[in-house]
Amino acid sequence: GNSVTQMEGPVTLSEEAFLTINCTYTATGYPSLFWYVQYPGEGLQLLLKATKADDKGSNKGFEATYRKETTSFHLEKGSVQVSDSAVYFCALSGSGGYQKVTFGTGTKLQVIP
Amino acid sequence: ETGVTQTPRHLVMGMTNKKSLKCEQHLGHNAMYWYKQSAKKPLELMFVYSLEERVENNSVPSRFSPECPNSSHLFLHLHTLQPEDSALYLCASSPQGFDTGELFFGEGSRLTVL
Repeated sequence: GNSVTQMEGPVTLSEEAFLTINCTYTATGYPSLFWYVQYPGEGLQLLLKATKADDKGSNKGFEATYRKETTSFHLEKGSVQVSDSAVYFCALSGSGGYQKVTFGTGTKLQVIP
Repeated sequence: ETGVTQTPRHLVMGMTNKKSLKCEQHLGHNAMYWYKQSAKKPLELMFVYSLEERVENNSVPSRFSPECPNSSHLFLHLHTLQPEDSALYLCASSPQGFDTGELFFGEGSRLTVL
């Protein structure tokens, strides 16, 4: 079956530092890949997505590139802010009439001033 | 405002109680989901309803009973729960038939079983 593996946290960075959160996946076929973010006390919300190999998803300064050869979808941001402190989930979606989304365990990011 | 509203936000119940979680979506979606979020574990998909018909039931114990009376409302009825059922329960919705993989989540109901 499908699975997602992401680096364990927590990740603690100083403001303006470079961020990388690693994510690798196992899936049959050609899944779509996602990063969701969960701010404290809130539900998950979609941060970015990529639907085919070599696509780059981007949003709010975050980027991730769909690498089929390494089955990876690492999240990066050049300069993090305190407001980026949250839990980040890597996920993938297979095909189907409804969204069969498989999530990773989440990586908590804490940015300190 | 996410378009998906869950109530209550917090719930404490004993093992013999019966309670319900409610989810309402205002996005015009046709698919609704219950997920369980526990610390250090991936989100667990519990139930999926597509056009008010249950299409997924991931081996969830019978003490959890879902109900989807229409495409805008989803309930999770709870009965005789165990302490290990304490978790954040997330409701989500999506437009059925569109394979975007994008889910719209509510803020969750934090359940504590004593």
